[in-house]
Amino acid sequence: NAGVTQTPKFRILKIGQSMTLQCTQDMNHNYMYWYRQDPGMGLKLIYYSVGAGITDKGEVPNGYNVSRSTTEDFPLRLELAAPSQTSVYFCASTQSHRGTEAFFGQGTRLTVV
Amino acid sequence: AQTVTQSQPEMSVQEAETVTLSCTYDTSESDYYLFWYKQPPSRQMILVIRQEAYKQQNATENRFSVNFQKAAKSFSLKISDSQLGDAAMYFCASTATGNQFYFGTGTSLTVIP
Repeated sequence: NAGVTQTPKFRILKIGQSMTLQCTQDMNHNYMYWYRQDPGMGLKLIYYSVGAGITDKGEVPNGYNVSRSTTEDFPLRLELAAPSQTSVYFCASTQSHRGTEAFFGQGTRLTVV
Repeated sequence: AQTVTQSQPEMSVQEAETVTLSCTYDTSESDYYLFWYKQPPSRQMILVIRQEAYKQQNATENRFSVNFQKAAKSFSLKISDSQLGDAAMYFCASTATGNQFYFGTGTSLTVIP
């Protein structure tokens, strides 16, 4: 059972570079999310999607973009990386819009230098 | 909006003993859900237990149980017969419509052999 798969697991970027964090899930979940986790903090929502073609901003969307062309995939794009984007990024999915367990990927540790 | 507060950054427990992790929350929603997630050093987020706010009965999962005090907006996690494998970061989270999760800052649990 693959669940939610994120790639890469680790990445170092230089300031100003761009990259895409990949996320795919095989559970046919409509709801997908991107969170970031900073040291000593909980996870904060960056963007979410309620289905293919529909995305919306979360608490901390600045500096990121997303797209959702299929149910399975929900990539996160970082444009013009900044040191403030150094964090661990988690992709997650849920079966429904209310109260169901969130399944998480293993996270991507991103360092911007 | 919802907020989740965990006031214990670190806790420790002797193996086989019981420990309680605290969590308080605030929400304007009438229908919401509460969760405890475990994050071991592998970074993987693992669901420990889930509580539906409309249910008065406290949720239990084997050695894990909660004390849900709706009026006080309190949701503590009790781990009985603590095991070395319970050592991890524990996050309290809430969710309502849209299933966006709001996380606390976490409690790092150490289990002493």
